[in-house]
Amino acid sequence: DAKTTQPPSMDCAEGRAANLPCNHSTISGNEYVYWYRQIHSQGPQYIIHGLKNNETNEMASLIITEDRKSSTLILPHATLRDTAVYYCIVRSNSGGYQKVTFGIGTKLQVIP
Amino acid sequence: KAGVTQTPRYLIKTRGQQVTLSCSPISGHRSVSWYQQTPGQGLQFLFEYFSETQRNKGNFPGRFSGRQFSNSRSEMNVSTLELGDSALYLCASSPWQATNEKLFFGSGTQLSVL
Repeated sequence: DAKTTQPPSMDCAEGRAANLPCNHSTISGNEYVYWYRQIHSQGPQYIIHGLKNNETNEMASLIITEDRKSSTLILPHATLRDTAVYYCIVRSNSGGYQKVTFGIGTKLQVIP
Repeated sequence: KAGVTQTPRYLIKTRGQQVTLSCSPISGHRSVSWYQQTPGQGLQFLFEYFSETQRNKGNFPGRFSGRQFSNSRSEMNVSTLELGDSALYLCASSPWQATNEKLFFGSGTQLSVL
């Protein structure tokens, strides 16, 4: 499974865009990039995922580089409720079975 | 649809005891995976079940075990508890095992071992 690398923490001013980077340089062709976030003491919440094209939904945008070795999660107008730990993971089916590897994530602090 | 339900929400045990945690997936979901989360180690994969069979297992000792029932509900068991087993245990469900499926997590069971 590909491993991901994220900065341990980031700050973002409220109302500004939060850009969270993720490196997954060993990703293979059939692996998707997923982003989740976890607010303290709750289970992770799905945000967005993609394979190679940029994706957008009501929560965020996902930009994947052409070589797929890195991606960026964009929260267009960060609010205080976006303060959370953000996980970038890659998902594969190894031998038909599901394997998920989470890193330590990025702790995003949105500042008023 | 109801979300993933984990019971109990909090649990306090002493060293040497055993514990069983329960996870009810979203209706129709057949895959259940378990994770241990500690401040020092982050979120670590324990194991994944699909159709009552363990399909994958993380790097945890044999004291950690699980099972899945025919209705897809899952339990995990930890025997001979150690202080280091204190953690938030999360389960997640998904409809199938496909790569492009998102995981739905429960709120977790906070286990404290004294």
